[in-house]
Amino acid sequence: QSVLTQPPSVSGAPGQRVTISCTGSSSNIGAGYDVHWYQQLPGTAPKLLIYGNSNRPSGVPDRFSGSKSGTSASLAITGLQAEDEADYYCQSYDSSLSGSEFGGGTKLTVL
Amino acid sequence: QVQLVQSGAEVKKPGASVKVSCKASGYTFIDYYMHWVRQAPGQGLEWMGWINPNSGGTNYAQKFQGRVTMTRDTSMSTAYMELSRLRSDDTAVYYCARTLWTNNWFDPWGQGTLVTVSS
Repeated sequence: QSVLTQPPSVSGAPGQRVTISCTGSSSNIGAGYDVHWYQQLPGTAPKLLIYGNSNRPSGVPDRFSGSKSGTSASLAITGLQAEDEADYYCQSYDSSLSGSEFGGGTKLTVL
Repeated sequence: QVQLVQSGAEVKKPGASVKVSCKASGYTFIDYYMHWVRQAPGQGLEWMGWINPNSGGTNYAQKFQGRVTMTRDTSMSTAYMELSRLRSDDTAVYYCARTLWTNNWFDPWGQGTLVTVSS
């Protein structure tokens, strides 16, 4: 049971916009710790998608954006493409656990 | 470019130990923390702990304390994760991943090492 809660699945048609939420608590996101997002394509290692709540590494399309407010964070994907079909994970630091934590993951299906 | 290359797949019997390696290249090994994360089949990511390659200091997730040991060989720019008293539910892909500080983002990740625990 993760301390960061994500919806198990989301879906959208090509070209649409979807959001994935990540809900934490006062010991992680609410304590001011940054949220990071990863994309995991089938059979591959996770890849950094968003760091420091809203920053994109070089090479990540600007269709991907992140935000954080209070004890929650969100990943938004606009202009959905078939290649975006993957699992997405949020990650933050938790002071009560003295370590990193991941959300349970969200499977994005492009209809 | 920065790269983490892990050792190959392992098959172990229950009760045995496994040691997975992670060789770093393209950066100064001792300047970044190395974490280990595992993923059971069809499941999410689970953080196991980190090692500070400079000092050798470690921090393990409570779930793995007493069973996991993280070490490093600075001369070979390689980090190791050893898990003992293996059980069937330790079957997973084990990843190493780098961070600048202990609470930063993981980037990059190793390619993963499948550890199968089966009698």
